[in-house]
Amino acid sequence: AQSVSQHNHHVILSEAASLELGCNYSYGGTVNLFWYVQYPGQHLQLLLKYFSGDPLVKGIKGFEAEFIKSKFSFNLRKPSVQWSDTAEYFCAVTPGNQGGKLIFGQGTELSVKP
Amino acid sequence: KAGVTQTPRYLIKTRGQQVTLSCSPISGHRSVSWYQQTPGQGLQFLFEYFSETQRNKGNFPGRFSGRQFSNSRSEMNVSTLELGDSALYLCASSLGGDRNQPQHFGDGTRLSIL
Repeated sequence: AQSVSQHNHHVILSEAASLELGCNYSYGGTVNLFWYVQYPGQHLQLLLKYFSGDPLVKGIKGFEAEFIKSKFSFNLRKPSVQWSDTAEYFCAVTPGNQGGKLIFGQGTELSVKP
Repeated sequence: KAGVTQTPRYLIKTRGQQVTLSCSPISGHRSVSWYQQTPGQGLQFLFEYFSETQRNKGNFPGRFSGRQFSNSRSEMNVSTLELGDSALYLCASSLGGDRNQPQHFGDGTRLSIL
């Protein structure tokens, strides 16, 4: 079955620290990849997406992610986190021919200490 | 541009009852997907509707059903409610014609079963 695995359940960082959240998926075909963020009390928002082309994609608020096909990975990075990045982050995959079906990872809760 | 609107925001029901949740997509969006979010299972895909037709379906029992109207608004129905149906139900919409379109989420309906 298709699945998405996020490596960390809860990450605690100090401001200005670098962030990398791991995400691996299991699906052999073409995929579309996403990172969504849920700030406290808000709805899920799209952080960035990969459909094709350059495997290094840039999103909002200084986030970026790299698609490594050989590793079935789509890790999220940010060079320097801020307190306002405190949120829950979800990696999600859409199998290539099922655009309306997102398969989510379990989520990673990020706490940034000021 | 208004976002995805879900009503009601909160619902309390008892076991055995049925419930209908509503979702109004972003104007111009023709695809609506539904997800269930629980602490234990995370975000799970229920189904997707596009142009009034179910296009994708997750692994939920037949008690969970949905429909989409000609104006793209969608409803989700759960019959014979069980305690385990307590969850946050999220609706997401996308343009839908090209499957490579990100989904935009509403705030959700929190359903509590007593």
